Amino acid sequence: KAGVTQTPRYLIKTRGQQVTLSCSPISGHRSVSWYQQTPGQGLQFLFEYFSETQRNKGNFPGRFSGRQFSNSRSEMNVSTLELGDSALYLCASSREGHDEQFFGPGTRLTVL
Amino acid sequence: DAKTTQPPSMDCAEGRAANLPCNHSTISGNEYVYWYRQIHSQGPQYIIHGLKNNETNEMASLIITEDRKSSTLILPHATLRDTAVYYCIVRVAGGTSYGKLTFGQGTILTVHP
Repeated sequence: KAGVTQTPRYLIKTRGQQVTLSCSPISGHRSVSWYQQTPGQGLQFLFEYFSETQRNKGNFPGRFSGRQFSNSRSEMNVSTLELGDSALYLCASSREGHDEQFFGPGTRLTVL
Repeated sequence: DAKTTQPPSMDCAEGRAANLPCNHSTISGNEYVYWYRQIHSQGPQYIIHGLKNNETNEMASLIITEDRKSSTLILPHATLRDTAVYYCIVRVAGGTSYGKLTFGQGTILTVHP
């Protein structure tokens, strides 16, 4: 079956703009988690959605938000972009959220 | 979730077994040991997980010590494509850790020809 897909794969924005990233989970998976990966901080958990509800949240400012739709697809939004938001954003899906996660290829965001 | 300690890097010859250690001395009774790997510029890939018994799948074997304070991931016949960062993660199944994996720095495994 098809894996986790993320769009777009690459994105360039300028400071102050906002961005929306999309994630389509594996069919049948209801949990979607988002992560940020930077060289300095490594892989950090942003938040998790299950059945359209945010169920878990990492330690990121309110500029980072997300949502999940009834078909389990998820989007994350970053407002008022800062240079430090440049990163690889990964989403992962799992059946229930407490089992193994399957990651997408990521969206590489560059903020200029 | 319990903290894990892994060596920063390891080397392995192609065709030999790669044994990647992980220390998780503060693991609780309801915490599982998960292994993921990340090949350069790709998303992490699930490898295997276990609670207390040894586990094996088509990718690897997981050996957990009897006291559960450490574990070893074994790639039986390493290939060049196994060069990656390997992450050992300890997490509770369910509860407040829903959907959350806490990644450390991992072990950079380099497989040489």
